[in-house]
Amino acid sequence: KQEVTQIPAALSVPEGENLVLNCSFTDSAIYNLQWFRQDPGKGLTSLLLIQSSQREQTSGRLNASLDKSSGRSTLYIAASQPGDSATYLCAARTGNQFYFGTGTSLTVIP
Amino acid sequence: DTEVTQTPKHLVMGMTNKKSLKCEQHMGHRAMYWYKQKAKKPPELMFVYSYEKLSINESVPSRFSPECPNSSLLNLHLHALQPEDSALYLCASSQTLSSPTNEQFFGPGTRLTVL
Repeated sequence: KQEVTQIPAALSVPEGENLVLNCSFTDSAIYNLQWFRQDPGKGLTSLLLIQSSQREQTSGRLNASLDKSSGRSTLYIAASQPGDSATYLCAARTGNQFYFGTGTSLTVIP
Repeated sequence: DTEVTQTPKHLVMGMTNKKSLKCEQHMGHRAMYWYKQKAKKPPELMFVYSYEKLSINESVPSRFSPECPNSSLLNLHLHALQPEDSALYLCASSQTLSSPTNEQFFGPGTRLTVL
């Protein structure tokens, strides 16, 4: 069974810093990997989706990379802002199953 | 319109009640999903519908009964729930189930409390 891990579980940074969130998965036979943010008590907002054939995707200040062979994906956030404070989740799709990581809780301090 | 809507936002029910959660999307998506999320945990997949047919049931207890009356609507019928079923219930949709490029879009969730 696919296992998805996110490290660190929590991260606190001053505003303006660039930061990297990590997502590891045990089964490299994934169809895609999707990054989400979740505000407390709310639904998930899709940030980026990387297909298995792609190496990276970019949207504004966000850049996600995928290395299937090593079972890793990273989400890079440039010039962090207080509004980026949220929990970030990655989800790996294997077949018709979707496996979510444990999440990284990010706090950006003004 | 890239929105998935869910009603109600909050629901409190007793263990003998029968209630339903509703989910709607008008993006033309043919795959719809129910997830359960406990506090500070990741979402757990419950059910997947593909072209209005149940494709995946992740060994969910029968007190949860999904229904997909048409391509835009997804219901989750609740009966004789337990307090440990209290959670945030999330609905999602994607274009289809089979394409690997499919992005999932989530609704805001229904916060369920079982007394």
